[in-house]
Amino acid sequence: AQTVTQSQPEMSVQEAETVTLSCTYDTSESDYYLFWYKQPPSRQMILVIRQEAYKQQNATENRFSVNFQKAAKSFSLKISDSQLGDAAMYFCAYSRQGAQKLVFGQGTRLTINP
Amino acid sequence: KAGVTQTPRYLIKTRGQQVTLSCSPISGHRSVSWYQQTPGQGLQFLFEYFSETQRNKGNFPGRFSGRQFSNSRSEMNVSTLELGDSALYLCASSLGADYYGYTFGSGTRLTVV
Repeated sequence: AQTVTQSQPEMSVQEAETVTLSCTYDTSESDYYLFWYKQPPSRQMILVIRQEAYKQQNATENRFSVNFQKAAKSFSLKISDSQLGDAAMYFCAYSRQGAQKLVFGQGTRLTINP
Repeated sequence: KAGVTQTPRYLIKTRGQQVTLSCSPISGHRSVSWYQQTPGQGLQFLFEYFSETQRNKGNFPGRFSGRQFSNSRSEMNVSTLELGDSALYLCASSLGADYYGYTFGSGTRLTVV
């Protein structure tokens, strides 16, 4: 069974600085997708960034970028120029091609200090 | 474009009762999936429907069931509620393939007393 591990239950960073959230996953599949979701206190899960396993290039969305290391099965999220609105729970998720379901990590609570 | 709508937002039920939760997906999305979120177990997949057919199911007891209607709206039912069913239930909609990712609603907070 596929598993996703986020080893940092909590992280904090000063506003305007850069922070990296870690995620590792375990799978024997070759075709899959990886996601980072953000869950603020409003409870809604918001898609931050997505990576296709077959793409070697790391995905980037504005201040958010990933470091995808397929061989190491690592998928970290870097947030640059952190803003107060970035404070939330961040979940790393995996989806096997054709599975139509997400497997989530346990989450990392990110605090932004002003 | 309206997002994923889940109703109700909050629900309090008594042990042994049953409950029905509703999810309206984004217009044009034919896939709806459900997740249970608890502090202890995290986010766990319940089931996924596409064009009224259940395509995938998680490891939950038969008390948890769902269905999807022809307009893609979905309902989730939990019968004979137990205290451990207290959780945030999240619905996600998608165009139908993993590639597109999933858009989530704000969830229904179910409390069983």
